[in-house]
Amino acid sequence: RKEVEQDPGPFNVPEGATVAFNCTYSNSASQSFFWYRQDCRKEPKLLMSVYSSGNEDGRFTAQLNRASQYISLLIRDSKLSDSATYLCVVNAGGFKTIFGAGTRLFVKA
Amino acid sequence: GAVVSQHPSWVICKSGTSVKIECRSLDFQATTMFWYRQFPKQSLMLMATSNEGSKATYEQGVEKDKFLINHASLTLSTLTVTSAHPEDSSFYICSAIGVTVSSGNTIYFGEGSWLTVV
Repeated sequence: RKEVEQDPGPFNVPEGATVAFNCTYSNSASQSFFWYRQDCRKEPKLLMSVYSSGNEDGRFTAQLNRASQYISLLIRDSKLSDSATYLCVVNAGGFKTIFGAGTRLFVKA
Repeated sequence: GAVVSQHPSWVICKSGTSVKIECRSLDFQATTMFWYRQFPKQSLMLMATSNEGSKATYEQGVEKDKFLINHASLTLSTLTVTSAHPEDSSFYICSAIGVTVSSGNTIYFGEGSWLTVV
C-alpha cells in the first residue's frame, strides 16, 4: 500500500461543477497535511494547508479526518483556470514528506 | 512568504557534458533541501535529500556519482548532472522546508529546471 494514495483521475468536469478530491495516508503519526497545485511544466505550489477543523478559502474547502486517515479537497463552481494536477502532501514529522501521485483535473467550457 | 529560487530554468546540453542546477532559499535558512525529478505526466520522484555541511542522502536507485549534490551553505544547494545522457532529460525541482506558525513545516518549491540532453 502506498503511503499516500489519491484518486487516479483524470477528472473531466464542465465549468461550474463541484469536484472533490480524496486522499488517504497510511502513517497515523503524520502531522501536517497540504494540498498543492501543479500546472503543466511548472513547479507545485501550495494551495492550502489542511486542518482537523476543516478550512475554506473561497471556492476551495479542505477537510481532514484523522481517525480515518483521510483528506479531501472540494472545489466549487470550478473555473477553466482550475485545470491542473492536485497533489496531496503529508508530513510525517520533521522532514519526512510524502507526495501523492496527484489527480489531474480538466475543466471544460 | 518563503521563496526558493532555482536556476537555470531551461538548459540544453550535449551528451557527455555536465550540468549544474542551483537552488537557493531567498529569505530563510534551509539546512535541508530536496531534489526531485519529474518526467512528463508522472509524479514527483524524490532523488535525494541535501544536508548542509554533510553528504546528501540518496533515494534507492539514484546514482550518487551521477547526480552530485553539494550543500555548501544554509541557503544554497546544487545538483550536478554528470556525463548527461538523453534519458536524463527531465524536469528537476528543488524544495526546502520553511516553518510557519500556522502551518508548521511547509514545503516551498523552486521554479524547476528543464534539462534537455541532445
